[in-house]
Amino acid sequence: EAGVAQSPRYKIIEKRQSVAFWCNPISGHATLYWYQQILGQGPKLLIQFQNNGVVDDSQLPKDRFSAERLKGVDSTLKIQPAKLEDSAVYLCASSLSTGTQYFGPGTRLTVL
Amino acid sequence: DAKTTQPTSMDCAEGRAANLPCNHSTISGNEYVYWYRQIHSQGPQYIIHGLKNNETNEMASLIITEDRKSSTLILPHATLRDTAVYYCIVRVVQAGTALIFGKGTTLSVSS
Repeated sequence: EAGVAQSPRYKIIEKRQSVAFWCNPISGHATLYWYQQILGQGPKLLIQFQNNGVVDDSQLPKDRFSAERLKGVDSTLKIQPAKLEDSAVYLCASSLSTGTQYFGPGTRLTVL
Repeated sequence: DAKTTQPTSMDCAEGRAANLPCNHSTISGNEYVYWYRQIHSQGPQYIIHGLKNNETNEMASLIITEDRKSSTLILPHATLRDTAVYYCIVRVVQAGTALIFGKGTTLSVSS
């Protein structure tokens, strides 16, 4: 069974630029999560989708971050404009509605 | 905030059992104990979870105390590839509950 796919694996941008990350969850998984992991810390939830609806986006900085999950499968997370403090690994995870979450390899973002 | 407390780091010799403790004294009756690990530059990997009974799978064993206030993850024969950060997380298993990670335990396995 294929795991959670993410791209790109690495991205370097300058501050105030925009960037987008893509996630393809495990087939059949209705729930999709985006986490942010700053160096030295555990992952922190940014947003959670159930099919194509948002369940929890309370920790998403909505002035600069946006996410969508069209058709309830793939998802895109966007940052516009990026700040230095957005440098982190962005992790996507998926699960059956209440089940165990499985993570992708992450996208490492460096903002210069 | 994370509801668990773990030691910052632990060392283990290759081939020996690694016993990773976790305190979760405020756990609720409907919360499960989950363990994940994160090898350097990879996403977190699911290991095992349990409610109150001890659990075992091909990766590890999970021992939960009778009062459920603490648990221990056991890797029976640690290898160098088990070097990672191990996260203990308590979670209600229902729709809409994400994982809340603490800082975890860095396990270093050496030969």
